[in-house]
Amino acid sequence: AQSVTQPDIHITVSEGASLELRCNYSYGATPYLFWYVQSPGQGLQLLLKYFSGDTLVQGIKGFEAEFKRSQSSFNLRKPSVHWSDAAEYFCAVVTGGGNKLTFGTGTQLKVEL
Amino acid sequence: NAGVTQTPKFRVLKTGQSMTLLCAQDMNHEYMYWYRQDPGMGLRLIHYSVGEGTTAKGEVPDGYNVSRLKKQNFLLGLESAAPSQTSVYFCASSYQEFTRNGYTFGSGTRLTVV
Repeated sequence: AQSVTQPDIHITVSEGASLELRCNYSYGATPYLFWYVQSPGQGLQLLLKYFSGDTLVQGIKGFEAEFKRSQSSFNLRKPSVHWSDAAEYFCAVVTGGGNKLTFGTGTQLKVEL
Repeated sequence: NAGVTQTPKFRVLKTGQSMTLLCAQDMNHEYMYWYRQDPGMGLRLIHYSVGEGTTAKGEVPDGYNVSRLKKQNFLLGLESAAPSQTSVYFCASSYQEFTRNGYTFGSGTRLTVV
């Protein structure tokens, strides 16, 4: 079955430091991949998506992600983290009929000032 | 603003009570989805619909029913609420060709069953 794994449940970084959040997927065909962010008590906001083409995808808020087929990964990166980036981040892949989104379990990001 | 609207935003139910969550979208999306979010488990698909009058089960359908009588609305029902259904519920919608504009999510409904 198709799945998404986010190995890190919690990550803490200092403000200004670089960030990488890991996402691995299991899917036979070319995946359609997303990263969402959720602030406490809020809904989901789309950061970026990958459908095809250039494997380095730029998103909002200075985030980027790189699709690596050989590693089945779609890691999210940001060169310099801001305190306002503290939130929960979800990776998701489109699976099967009905274009269903399958989500990872999320990574909680804490930013130390 | 165009988008996905969920009502209500908050609700407290007693065990055994029933309720219906409403999701409405004004983007003429063909597909609609109901997810539940629980700590440490991400979002899990409950039911989805690929068109008016159609519904299908997702990953965690037990205890829920859905209906899509109109294209713009997708209702999620709990016939006899249980504490295990305490969760945050999100509705989403998309075009059949989702690459056109991805998915649009509602702001969520926080349900507590006591």
